[in-house]
Amino acid sequence: AQTVTQSQPEMSVQEAETVTLSCTYDTSESDYYLFWYKQPPSRQMILVIRQEAYKQQNATENRFSVNFQKAAKSFSLKISDSQLGDAAMYFCAYRSANGGAAQGGSEKLVFGKGMKLTVNP
Amino acid sequence: EPEVTQTPSHQVTQMGQEVILRCVPISNHLYFYWYRQILGQKVEFLVSFYNNEISEKSEIFDDQFSVERPDGSNFTLKIRSTKLEDSAMYFCASNRGRMNTEAFFGQGTRLTVV
Repeated sequence: AQTVTQSQPEMSVQEAETVTLSCTYDTSESDYYLFWYKQPPSRQMILVIRQEAYKQQNATENRFSVNFQKAAKSFSLKISDSQLGDAAMYFCAYRSANGGAAQGGSEKLVFGKGMKLTVNP
Repeated sequence: EPEVTQTPSHQVTQMGQEVILRCVPISNHLYFYWYRQILGQKVEFLVSFYNNEISEKSEIFDDQFSVERPDGSNFTLKIRSTKLEDSAMYFCASNRGRMNTEAFFGQGTRLTVV
């Protein structure tokens, strides 16, 4: 079974600074997807960024970028120029790319425990 | 922008009562999911649904739970006889296709069992 680990329960960053959130995962699969979701106080889960395991290039979405190290099974999120609106819980998640249950794979997202990010003005 | 809509936002129910949580997925999406998040804990998968049947379920999704897509637009989660430990945030999600696309989540329903 796949597991996702976020070892830092909380972090803080000054506004306009850069912060890196860490995530490691464990899987025996070679093809999968990794995600970072943001959960603000409103509790809605919002996708921040996605990475396909077969792609060597790290994904980037505006101020958000990832450092994907497949051999190390590491998937960190870097937030540049942090803004007050970035304050939220951040969840790392894994999903198999090997088809659904009928194909012996899984469609479910496996989440880490999350990390609370505080942005200080 | 299309979004997943969940109702109600907060439901309080007595232990032993049945509850139905409702979701309207994004209209051209084909895969539907329920997840739950007990306060302070990680988000956990409950069930996935495709082509009018359950495609995968977790150990949490026991006989007390059921899902239905009664009318082609709503996707419901029923808890037949609620327990105190069912208190959690329940998230509905939908996905246009299983592969190479991300799941879009609703805003959640907070269920409180008293």
